[in-house]
Amino acid sequence: GAVVSQHPSWVICKSGTSVKIECRSLDFQATTMFWYRQFPKQSLMLMATSNEGSKATYEQGVEKDKFLINHASLTLSTLTVTSAHPEDSSFYICSARGTSGNSYNEQFFGPGTRLTVL
Amino acid sequence: AQRVTQPEKLLSVFKGAPVELKCNYSYSGSPELFWYVQYSRQRLQLLLRHISRESIKGFTADLNKGETSFHLKKPFAQEEDSAMYYCALKGVGGATNKLIFGTGTLLAVQP
Repeated sequence: GAVVSQHPSWVICKSGTSVKIECRSLDFQATTMFWYRQFPKQSLMLMATSNEGSKATYEQGVEKDKFLINHASLTLSTLTVTSAHPEDSSFYICSARGTSGNSYNEQFFGPGTRLTVL
Repeated sequence: AQRVTQPEKLLSVFKGAPVELKCNYSYSGSPELFWYVQYSRQRLQLLLRHISRESIKGFTADLNKGETSFHLKKPFAQEEDSAMYYCALKGVGGATNKLIFGTGTLLAVQP
């Protein structure tokens, strides 16, 4: 149980285009999902906290107009990188927080999405 | 500010040797700490949390408030333990849901 999926697993796009990444909790409901960014050989940096039915909370230094987050249901959150540029190339990882049972308050991570902007 | 420090980027040991992955945190209250592991080409997964006081795959971690540390230990390393290990601190105050990660330590267990 407690599986989180991400789609796509990798994407290559041209500079200036927008890319949408989906994060789904497959077998549990997640009122809270998190979006991270990981540069090569570096740690995960939290970008934003996504709460179902409300606006996302962005970390300092993360442009909310650049990284649009939508959490429209208890099993789906999306991250849209708008007008992507090469410096946005990175590994984007989402996690979902369990809200009941043995998974209460534990974060379950997706496999990540590799974004390459040409 | 809350912070997690993992001073070692790489720790290389031989199979059967003891392992200690260091983690220090900065927070004046009662912290909630975790160790996450990421095996090659796999997603990040929870290894253990301090409130459970459990041993997973032979690993243990004890919270030392005096030294603000949460080091991960295993008495006898196995080759399959080779992975990236991240120490994480649960956010407090207005950020109770989020995790603050250290920079990670790559554990390489040599045969």
